[in-house]
Amino acid sequence: EAGVVQSPRYKIIEKKQPVAFWCNPISGHNTLYWYLQNLGQGPELLIRYENEEAVDDSQLPKDRFSAERLKGVDSTLKIQPAELGDSAVYLCASSFRGGEQFFGPGTRLTVL
Amino acid sequence: AQSVTQLDSHVSVSEGTPVLLRCNYSSSYSPSLFWYVQHPNKGLQLLLKYTSAATLVKGINGFEAEFKKSETSFHLTKPSAHMSDAAEYFCVVSDRTKTSYDKVIFGPGTSLSVIP
Repeated sequence: EAGVVQSPRYKIIEKKQPVAFWCNPISGHNTLYWYLQNLGQGPELLIRYENEEAVDDSQLPKDRFSAERLKGVDSTLKIQPAELGDSAVYLCASSFRGGEQFFGPGTRLTVL
Repeated sequence: AQSVTQLDSHVSVSEGTPVLLRCNYSSSYSPSLFWYVQHPNKGLQLLLKYTSAATLVKGINGFEAEFKKSETSFHLTKPSAHMSDAAEYFCVVSDRTKTSYDKVIFGPGTSLSVIP
């Protein structure tokens, strides 16, 4: 069984450019999470979906970040425009009904 | 409100000696607690979880953790460290909120080094 798939694995962009990350959860997992992980720190939740509904986006900086999960399966996280401080690893995780979370390998973003 | 404290940012042990990674939490209700491991350039992997059943939880790779409600602790232990245990370890608390969904909070992590 395939795990959580994320792409790209690495992305380097200049500040003020847009960037998008894609996540495909484990088949059958209705809960999907996006996390941000800064170097040397634990993951911080950005947004949580139950099917296609965002049930917790309280930590998502909505002025520049957006996310969607239109069909309740895969999801896209976008930053526009990117800032230097957005350099981090963006993790996607999925679970069945909020149970054990399975993590993808992450996307390492570098903003120059 | 929930919070997770990992008392040591870095722990170094010799191969074959015991491992102790400390975690304290605060929670409004009855939490679920987890330990995750993250090896360099790899995804987070669940080591073990406590969900209100037995207070001593056994996980993968010989790790175990004991839930102590009176001390609000969930320390991770292993009797004998192996070189492959060198990684970052995260304590995680999941607790109910006013909505019907649990809130998941990661601790800051403890980096474990194993000396040959």
